[in-house]
Amino acid sequence: AQSVTQLGSHVSVSEGALVLLRCNYSSSVPPYLFWYVQYPNQGLQLLLKYTSAATLVKGINGFEAEFKKSETSFHLTKPSAHMSDAAEYFCAVLSRYSTLTFGKGTMLLVSP
Amino acid sequence: EAGVAQSPRYKIIEKRQSVAFWCNPISGHATLYWYQQILGQGPKLLIQFQNNGVVDDSQLPKDRFSAERLKGVDSTLKIQPAKLEDSAVYLCASSFWGPSGGAGELFFGEGSRLTVL
Repeated sequence: AQSVTQLGSHVSVSEGALVLLRCNYSSSVPPYLFWYVQYPNQGLQLLLKYTSAATLVKGINGFEAEFKKSETSFHLTKPSAHMSDAAEYFCAVLSRYSTLTFGKGTMLLVSP
Repeated sequence: EAGVAQSPRYKIIEKRQSVAFWCNPISGHATLYWYQQILGQGPKLLIQFQNNGVVDDSQLPKDRFSAERLKGVDSTLKIQPAKLEDSAVYLCASSFWGPSGGAGELFFGEGSRLTVL
């Protein structure tokens, strides 16, 4: 069964600093991987997805993620954090019946 | 384009009472999902519909939870009787995917927050 593990329930950065949110996957087949963002009191929104094309995937709001098979990782990065990036981020893997299995989430805190 | 609509946004009930949540997906989206998000955890799939048929309900606690999607559009999720551990946000999502792609691209509603006292 496919699963993802997010390292760190909370990550704190200063405005303008690099954002790095970690996600490792477990899958017996080539995975389809996703990052979703959830702003307070809102539903989840798709940031980006990896579907076995380019290993470096660019998403919305300046975020990108790199698929590394050797490390079974799909970490999310952004060169310069903005206050508006403060939210909870979820890594997910496409599972049977094309459903999503989510990680536990990482809360990103951005300080001025 | 209208998004996924859910109601009510908030509900407080006592244990052993019943509650129902409603979801209206994006027009034309054949697949509808109900997820349960407990505080501090990622969303967990409860049930997936394809049109008005159930694709996956393996994680739905069927002794107390039920869901239906009549006519393949709106859906209702019911809990009866509620337990304390059912306190969570219930997220509805919809998607449209086919041979050209879209798998895993879910559109979520704002959720219905349930508190069971």
